Amino acid sequence: SYELTQPPSVSVSPGQTATITCSGDKLGDTYACWYQQKPGQSPLLVIYQDAKRPSGIPERFSGSNSGNTATLTISGTQAMDEADYYCQAWDASTGVFGGGTKLTVL
Amino acid sequence: EVQLVQSGAEVRKPGESLKISCQGSGYSFTSFWIVWVRQMPGKGLEYMGIIYPGGSDTRYSPSFEGQVTISADKSINTAYLQWSSLEASDTAVYYCARHHLSHVGGGGAFDTWGQGTMVTVSS
Repeated sequence: SYELTQPPSVSVSPGQTATITCSGDKLGDTYACWYQQKPGQSPLLVIYQDAKRPSGIPERFSGSNSGNTATLTISGTQAMDEADYYCQAWDASTGVFGGGTKLTVL
Repeated sequence: EVQLVQSGAEVRKPGESLKISCQGSGYSFTSFWIVWVRQMPGKGLEYMGIIYPGGSDTRYSPSFEGQVTISADKSINTAYLQWSSLEASDTAVYYCARHHLSHVGGGGAFDTWGQGTMVTVSS
């Protein structure tokens, strides 16, 4: 079965750029999306189709996808961005989530 | 406003059956796929399966095939997730979400989520 691998944790200082990666075999040949989940809340879509932002998502969130790696970048990270982040892609018609990355804003 | 509202928390004993629900509003319920996602305590998101309420086409993740049943009643804009015999390992929060494209797969994302249903299975 298809697997997506994320680092368990990433730390960033306020105002700096956070980068979260998601690796999978030939991931760049398909689309990736990203979800943010804060404690006790439902996931929130922040990036879809590699780099598109849903309405209401701040411009500091951006995405890219090439080769075997999709990347979520948060520029000018704020304390409110501290959360778990999950990548997601499709293996044929079955969805696959990455294991999640806990972003800590120190 | 597009919204998915899930049924409330449930507590069951091992071996019991259960059906939880997810009601959509604010959009054409029969035009978008609905996915079910499991989140075990302290763990990540797991894709369970997806249904097209307009035609009841249902597809399961191999990990959940045969373990749960996904269904929908388009007359009341509601999707369901059910178990015939619960186990303690089914204890989790279950989310439904809307797939934002009319076709499943490449490019599709889950743009609206329900609030989650906590299912606790304990003797």
